[in-house]
Amino acid sequence: KAGVTQTPRYLIKTRGQQVTLSCSPISGHRSVSWYQQTPGQGLQFLFEYFSETQRNKGNFPGRFSGRQFSNSRSEMNVSTLELGDSALYLCASSSQGTTGELFFGEGSRLTVL
Amino acid sequence: GESVGLHLPTLSVQEGDNSIINCAYSNSASDYFIWYKQESGKGPQFIIDIRSNMDKRQGQRVTVLLNKTVKHLSLQIAATQPGDSAVYFCAETHSGNTPLVFGKGTRLSVIA
Repeated sequence: KAGVTQTPRYLIKTRGQQVTLSCSPISGHRSVSWYQQTPGQGLQFLFEYFSETQRNKGNFPGRFSGRQFSNSRSEMNVSTLELGDSALYLCASSSQGTTGELFFGEGSRLTVL
Repeated sequence: GESVGLHLPTLSVQEGDNSIINCAYSNSASDYFIWYKQESGKGPQFIIDIRSNMDKRQGQRVTVLLNKTVKHLSLQIAATQPGDSAVYFCAETHSGNTPLVFGKGTRLSVIA
């Protein structure tokens, strides 16, 4: 069974640009969560999608958005990038939502210059 | 590899010894807890979970202890091996599909 796949693995952007990250969950999993990981803040919850609906949202500005498609694949977008957005963005899928085991991908490392 | 935490508490353990990693959780309403392991360059990986109606759960070489009175969780790793070197996170949530909240993490370094 294939794991959670995130693309791209690494990317470099400049301030003011926007970025879209993609996540393909484990087959059959309908819940996809996104986390931002930084050395200073650790793992911070961004949002969770279940069957194409945003079910939970973390405390991030509106520049951070996401969506989920009918095949459960998810994308997150960050607009007007700031230096502080440099982080590892992790996607996790689950069959049960956030109260069940989350299976993480290897992340997308975003560097904002 | 990628650094997941520049200022994490670090636990150094001799190979073959037992390791104990501690975590203080924040929400007294939390009723489900998970330990994750994150190796350099990888995403977190599930180790073991425990629900609030239990105070101990054992897996293969790992044991999780839960003390709800003081909101404390610990992960015990028996016969620690070099492959156990990683950052360990505790995470908590409560019923109703609320997001997992992760602790800051502890770096385990195994000395061969």
